[in-house]
Amino acid sequence: DTEVTQTPKHLVMGMTNKKSLKCEQHMGHRAMYWYKQKAKKPPELMFVYSYEKLSINESVPSRFSPECPNSSLLNLHLHALQPEDSALYLCASSQESQQGNTIYFGEGSWLTVV
Amino acid sequence: EDQVTQSPEALRLQEGESSSLNCSYTVSGLRGLFWYRQDPGKGPEFLFTLYSAGEEKEKERLKATLTKKESFLHITAPKPEDSATYLCAEQDNFNKFYFGSGTKLNVKP
Repeated sequence: DTEVTQTPKHLVMGMTNKKSLKCEQHMGHRAMYWYKQKAKKPPELMFVYSYEKLSINESVPSRFSPECPNSSLLNLHLHALQPEDSALYLCASSQESQQGNTIYFGEGSWLTVV
Repeated sequence: EDQVTQSPEALRLQEGESSSLNCSYTVSGLRGLFWYRQDPGKGPEFLFTLYSAGEEKEKERLKATLTKKESFLHITAPKPEDSATYLCAEQDNFNKFYFGSGTKLNVKP
């Protein structure tokens, strides 16, 4: 079982709504990620937080706003989304080691924008 | 740009029919090559990490190998429950992961 927990599992929102996706991990990992995955496509990196600081932003539109309140939590705030933003949003975490780091994914949050 | 290419895109096997999936990569400064399994509507499940050419790892019916430019996921005597999409990913020196498009495996009883 994955130790990265995402809520909600499903979310339907209108284009004028404000909502948030939440992610929690209890593995003591210090890097956390948001990925977006469309049907039949690989995951695409959106954001990386390292030691609670945003380290990578893959030119994601400002209608997506990440937040890392502490080392165990990661949020993705959503505002004024477009129907094409409908996708599976995956949270992941990893711990740096001498050889590299393996990322572990949550089950994802299915987002539908209507 | 760094790139990960997986082949074939889809693979249909009979139960017990062994085969291999391929992942070729072009990243400079490879820090790791990763294999994941993804079931429909779920997040990718970690399988293996390989760090250096010649390394091999096994788990049940799966065996992953790594050369300087590609990795193979060998599936021995697959069962229907092995049906899934298998993703490989590479990690570069800047902590970024690049995923391939995946191989969708269908094992028929």
